[in-house]
Amino acid sequence: SQELEQSPQSLIVQEGKNLTINCTSSKTLYGLYWYKQKYGEGLIFLMMLQKGGEEKSHEKITAKLDEKKQQSSLHITASQPSHAGIYLCGAVHSGGGGADGLTFGKGTHLIIQP
Amino acid sequence: DAGVTQSPTHLIKTRGQQVTLRCSPKSGHDTVSWYQQALGQGPQFIFQYYEEEERQRGNFPDRFSGHQFPNYSSELNVNALLLGDSALYLCASSVLMEDTIYFGEGSWLTVV
Repeated sequence: SQELEQSPQSLIVQEGKNLTINCTSSKTLYGLYWYKQKYGEGLIFLMMLQKGGEEKSHEKITAKLDEKKQQSSLHITASQPSHAGIYLCGAVHSGGGGADGLTFGKGTHLIIQP
Repeated sequence: DAGVTQSPTHLIKTRGQQVTLRCSPKSGHDTVSWYQQALGQGPQFIFQYYEEEERQRGNFPDRFSGHQFPNYSSELNVNALLLGDSALYLCASSVLMEDTIYFGEGSWLTVV
């Protein structure tokens, strides 16, 4: 089984609607990164969460880390076409931090319908 | 301020050949990591370089090797290419023990 599971695998949302993407780890989380990727391109850093209960926001995107559930959620409010792409979560599974390499989920494909 | 830059952007190689991919980290970053992303999958950690030495390694065979230069730039070398090595190769840069990790646009490798 995957060390890091993302759900849903794909998501079609009408423009203006809210949405949530989840990322669950089977191992202890020391930190969790969220990235966005356009098809075939590099990863764009969104935010990094480190402490249980931590919540960060950037523009219309909010991410939370639930240490007890070993889970993170990414929430987009009032979605726009520019939010379309692949969202990837990357886990830090060691105390050395992200410097020891991230373990990624398979990604969530987000499509925004006008 | 230039971000992480990678070259080449695309290349095609034949099975059995060798390939070298290059990465220049973001200004001020001293640590470079390499990832392989197959189609439809998340990136997989290959290895990381810091102070010109391989610091951490993922589950990749010895055919995958690397190098870091004094200016922190890095190369990824893959020998005896297999069809399964076809993927997007991503370089990530960071400052050791700091949290922000930035990725480049990647190098698309197709092995035929």
